[in-house]
Amino acid sequence: AQSVTQPDIHITVSEGASLELRCNYSYGATPYLFWYVQSPGQGLQLLLKYFSGDTLVQGIKGFEAEFKRSQSSFNLRKPSVHWSDAAEYFCAVAFSGGYNKLIFGAGTRLAVHP
Amino acid sequence: DTEVTQTPKHLVMGMTNKKSLKCEQHMGHRAMYWYKQKAKKPPELMFVYSYEKLSINESVPSRFSPECPNSSLLNLHLHALQPEDSALYLCASSQGVQETQYFGPGTRLLVL
Repeated sequence: AQSVTQPDIHITVSEGASLELRCNYSYGATPYLFWYVQSPGQGLQLLLKYFSGDTLVQGIKGFEAEFKRSQSSFNLRKPSVHWSDAAEYFCAVAFSGGYNKLIFGAGTRLAVHP
Repeated sequence: DTEVTQTPKHLVMGMTNKKSLKCEQHMGHRAMYWYKQKAKKPPELMFVYSYEKLSINESVPSRFSPECPNSSLLNLHLHALQPEDSALYLCASSQGVQETQYFGPGTRLLVL
């Protein structure tokens, strides 16, 4: 069955430290891959996406993600975290050949210490 | 501009009430979506509209009734809801059904 796994439910980092959020998917082909961020009580904001081409994609707010086909992963990174990055981060995949049904991971809650 | 708007922001209703949630986008997107998100959980797809026609209904109870009056508007009519239906209801839109989805801020619903 198609699935998305975010192994880390909660991560705490210090402001200025680097960040990596993990995402793995289970699917027989390359899906469309997304990272969304959600602040408390808010909607989801798209950080970045991967459809094809260069496996390192740049997004907004200084985030980047790398698609690794061999590991079925799409990890999100940021070199220096700001206090305003504290939020819930969702990895999502959509599988080609049909409607754009997004399947979300469980989410990773990021806390940032000053 | 990638803005999806939703009204109201908050809604409190009793189990016998009838209310509606509204979603609007002016990006020319032809696919629109309703999601339900419970606290500390990811969004779950409820409905997909493509070219104003219902394409996907994820086995949602009939007390939720979607409507797409035109390509810019999406409504969700609520009737006889249960307390467990309390959640954040998110609307999204995309250029086509295989394109990136953009989300609205959501409506926080509380059913008493």
